[in-house]
Amino acid sequence: GAVVSQHPSRVICKSGTSVKIECRSLDFQATTMFWYRQFPKQSLMLMATSNEGSKATYEQGVEKDKFLINHASLTLSTLTVTSAHPEDSSFYICSARAGAHSGFTEAFFGQGTRLTVV
Amino acid sequence: DAKTTQPTSMDCAEGRAANLPCNHSTISGNEYVYWYRQIHSQGPQYIIHGLKNNETNEMASLIITEDRKSSTLILPHATLRDTAVYYCIVRVKGEYGNKLVFGAGTILRVKS
Repeated sequence: GAVVSQHPSRVICKSGTSVKIECRSLDFQATTMFWYRQFPKQSLMLMATSNEGSKATYEQGVEKDKFLINHASLTLSTLTVTSAHPEDSSFYICSARAGAHSGFTEAFFGQGTRLTVV
Repeated sequence: DAKTTQPTSMDCAEGRAANLPCNHSTISGNEYVYWYRQIHSQGPQYIIHGLKNNETNEMASLIITEDRKSSTLILPHATLRDTAVYYCIVRVKGEYGNKLVFGAGTILRVKS
């Protein structure tokens, strides 16, 4: 299957600082990318969807000013957690899907980023 | 938003077939069923998907009932490395096309 890479895999930051997480599609062009959050022993929760060159669409209850998403190219999306607090500590996972013309109908996931805010 | 229900957990003996059921009684005619699995602290891995017909690939088989209200994922010869959380997902329509909304999933434990 196609490869989606996230960086960093782990990050520890101080409370009040911002953290940027990158998501790259390595061997295909991702017209749509998704960002999820997962707390321990829970399922993945969809945070937002973004199309390349457009503003992200956030799910209900997700603060768009706190979780800034940029999808500036067909191979890169970034999630910035602004003014992070301990309750933002979580496992963040991105997913990427190619356009309809590609023949891929499934989405591929990155390996996740473990964020710890101290 | 999740439109599927799955058993919380299942056990399977190594080398035997693992059959994971999923109910999706509110599925619409053009909605696909997707299966992913997640091994601890990793991103989900795509397994298989289908619309109406049964599907098979190198990882698994997907059996969809004729009324499409339920499906079963079959791992033909489970190994210890198949221990994971298995998610059955009905793709839902979002503003930018379809999106995957995860339910609770089934914890599959393969035992020797």
